[in-house]
Amino acid sequence: TQLLEQSPQFLSIQEGENLTVYCNSSSVFSSLQWYRQEPGEGPVLLVTVVTGGEVKKLKRLTFQFGDARKDSSLHITAAQPGDTGLYLCAVIQGAQKLVFGQGTRLTINP
Amino acid sequence: GAGVSQTPSNKVTEKGKYVELRCDPISGHTALYWYRQSLGQGPEFLIYFQGTGAADDSGLPNDRFFAVRPEGSVSTLKIQRTERGDSAVYLCASSLVGTDTQYFGPGTRLTVL
Repeated sequence: TQLLEQSPQFLSIQEGENLTVYCNSSSVFSSLQWYRQEPGEGPVLLVTVVTGGEVKKLKRLTFQFGDARKDSSLHITAAQPGDTGLYLCAVIQGAQKLVFGQGTRLTINP
Repeated sequence: GAGVSQTPSNKVTEKGKYVELRCDPISGHTALYWYRQSLGQGPEFLIYFQGTGAADDSGLPNDRFFAVRPEGSVSTLKIQRTERGDSAVYLCASSLVGTDTQYFGPGTRLTVL
């Protein structure tokens, strides 16, 4: 059983459309992170959310942490081909180790 | 270099062979991590170093896997008697102590034939 369940696993949409991907758990977390990973590269941190209900914006990306701090969503407005990649949510467990979800593989078609 | 570097970028080996994967962290980062990413999955934690010592090795799958960081900088992940199931991308990350941001290298893609 995965600690973090991400959905959908795959998403392919046209340029200009909006989309939302989800990261869910039955556990409560003090913080949650979102990463983007491109082929042949390591994950790159996009944002850390720490407060229940918190909303953070990064250009066209909007991240929300659930009120109960068990889940999070990532919304992309007017998706661009450059948004293509694997989106991973993660939490810090123990001293410092990251536990990742299985990711959402996003493809934006021109 | 400014980022985390890993060598080799690709390694193909035969079942039963020994391999070493190298990680050069960002200068000044005392924390170093190894993760393994199988196809279609998120990275899975293997081991965490604080300085020269392994602070948490709970993710190493078995005793064929070993990692060292003798001088508190470069780290080597060593895999003995490789198996086909070891095929994956091995990622290294580093961070400053007390911060939540880990910086990842590009990974080494290991293929065991």
